[in-house]
Amino acid sequence: SQELEQSPQSLIVQEGKNLTINCTSSKTLYGLYWYKQKYGEGLIFLMMLQKGGEEKSHEKITAKLDEKKQQSSLHITASQPSHAGTYLCGSLSPDSGTYKYIFGTGTRLKVLA
Amino acid sequence: GAVVSQHPSRVICKSGTSVKIECRSLDFQATTMFWYRQFPKQSLMLMATSNEGSKATYEQGVEKDKFLINHASLTLSTLTVTSAHPEDSSFYICSARDRQTIYEQYFGPGTRLTVT
Repeated sequence: SQELEQSPQSLIVQEGKNLTINCTSSKTLYGLYWYKQKYGEGLIFLMMLQKGGEEKSHEKITAKLDEKKQQSSLHITASQPSHAGTYLCGSLSPDSGTYKYIFGTGTRLKVLA
Repeated sequence: GAVVSQHPSRVICKSGTSVKIECRSLDFQATTMFWYRQFPKQSLMLMATSNEGSKATYEQGVEKDKFLINHASLTLSTLTVTSAHPEDSSFYICSARDRQTIYEQYFGPGTRLTVT
């Protein structure tokens, strides 16, 4: 079965610093999604990537999908306390003729003011 | 955008009782819905895939007799935790897939279950 591994598991950065979170898949990615989650709350959709080499940006967050479609990175520029939370990558995983949706292991981000 | 609701948002029940959680797609039809559980400081774990009009498919290690899933219509799936125990306390999230495309999947806000 497909697995998504995120690194690092947790991250503490000073406000204003840049940071990168990685998501590595054991198999080819069919749609890679990035979400943010505050503890005990629902998911906030950030971005979706489908094509190899694709890159998308929204405000200070940029996500990329590598050419081989097995790894994605999420980069935050000039981090702010509002960026704190858990970041999850998700992907469609082929399963018995259909697709199910799985999540990465998660990265907890803390931004120090 | 499409909205998925969950009810209740929080529930506290006594050990041994059953509790039902509803997941509704409000403005689209969902042939497939997914149920996840999340323990503190952990990621979301897929529990089961719910297909309208057919039996749910459970992930390995998930007890289907304990977590009953019913997907009676294109807009409603329910998860019933039977004979709940404190170890069932968790955050449960559902998601619904738009029948038009597999890439459009929307998540509910989650249900916090506490079993005392």
